[in-house]
Amino acid sequence: QVPLQEPDPRLVKPSQTLSLTCSVSGGSVSGGGYYWSWIRQSAGQGPEWMGRISATGNSNYSPSLKSRVTISVDTSMNTFSLSLKSVTAADTAVYYCARDSPHGDSRSYDALDMWGQGTMVTVSS
Amino acid sequence: AIQMTQFPSSLSASVGDRVTITCRASQDIRNQLGWYQQKPGKAPRLLVYGASTLESGVPSRFRGGGSGTDFTLIISSLHPDDLATYYCLQDYNFPWTFGQGTKLDFK
Repeated sequence: QVPLQEPDPRLVKPSQTLSLTCSVSGGSVSGGGYYWSWIRQSAGQGPEWMGRISATGNSNYSPSLKSRVTISVDTSMNTFSLSLKSVTAADTAVYYCARDSPHGDSRSYDALDMWGQGTMVTVSS
Repeated sequence: AIQMTQFPSSLSASVGDRVTITCRASQDIRNQLGWYQQKPGKAPRLLVYGASTLESGVPSRFRGGGSGTDFTLIISSLHPDDLATYYCLQDYNFPWTFGQGTKLDFK
């Protein structure tokens, strides 16, 4: 069983909204002081952190995407979701969901210690 | 946003070699840095957090070091399974930012 399960590849038309949901298994989105994150990676590029949300709804976003991105959590379904508005070809990438968990004796380090398998999103008409 | 610069961008080495990858932050990030390994077609995997602490299950041939602006990931004796691209990630300030990666292949 994959701890973080992402959807199948998506084809989205320019100007539309991309929506992705990550299912969490083997644990609860509400436990452990975790944040739930989205990261994307364009072909041949390094990863780009998009944002994160806690089970209580505290969120942080990348300023470069902030006007277009919303991350939400559904504790009843044990899922979290990404919504990206007004997509263009530049949004074509593999999108990963990941768990951001506190590490260290004082829990002062954030680390992405669990990842989904990635979803290929293509923006094209 | 904090800029993370990694070098070299690519590296060829032989099994058994000692390999050093460097990451430099555009400002002091104390020791809020992680290292990740990504194999082709796979998601990244956490190797090191807090600049120098190995994640559970990571082989001891990996070692992270540094603080402030300069950090290193050292593989003490390269193993065939280490063929991958390595990224640093700062968790000091939002937005978290990754380095552009160091692609490691074998001679």
